[in-house]
Amino acid sequence: GDSVTQMEGPVTLSEEAFLTINCTYTATGYPSLFWYVQYPGEGLQLLLKATKADDKGSNKGFEATYRKETTSFHLEKGSVQVSDSAVYFCALSDQAAGNKLTFGGGTRVLVKP
Amino acid sequence: DAGVIQSPRHEVTEMGQEVTLRCKPISGHDYLFWYRQTMMRGLELLIYFNNNVPIDDSGMPEDRFSAKMPNASFSTLKIQPSEPRDSAVYFCASCRDRVSGANVLTFGAGSRLTVL
Repeated sequence: GDSVTQMEGPVTLSEEAFLTINCTYTATGYPSLFWYVQYPGEGLQLLLKATKADDKGSNKGFEATYRKETTSFHLEKGSVQVSDSAVYFCALSDQAAGNKLTFGGGTRVLVKP
Repeated sequence: DAGVIQSPRHEVTEMGQEVTLRCKPISGHDYLFWYRQTMMRGLELLIYFNNNVPIDDSGMPEDRFSAKMPNASFSTLKIQPSEPRDSAVYFCASCRDRVSGANVLTFGAGSRLTVL
């Protein structure tokens, strides 16, 4: 079945540092890929998405490129802020699996001033 | 739009009591999902509805859990009787359609349940 694997956290870094969160996936079809973010005490919200190979999703300084050859969708940000402290979830939606949304386990990121 | 609205935000109850969680999806969204989030198991899909009809309830852990959607603007998740292992944050989410790529969920703020 479909699955999403992302690096375990917590990831702790200083303000203005470079952030990478690795995400790889397994899917039977050609999925769409998503990154959701969960701020403390809140629900998940969409950060960015990509619907086909080589697409790049971007939002709020975050970027992720859909890499079909490596089945990856790594999240990056060049200069993080304290306000980026949150839990980040990689997810896929596979049409071959009825478009069910499958989430990774989440990666907690803590940015220190 | 006010987004997906869940109530209560926090619930503390004793083992054996009935718990009812409520959700109001975004108007015009045809799909509604109930998720459970715990440290041990992460985010789990419990059940989802399309046009008020339950489509997949394979994630519902056991018969103690039930969900209903009597109309397009309201859904409930009920646990009876509750057990300490049900302690978790329960999220409701909705989306307009499930075409791949447009399958973008809007989540509520969650209901944190503690069963003593």
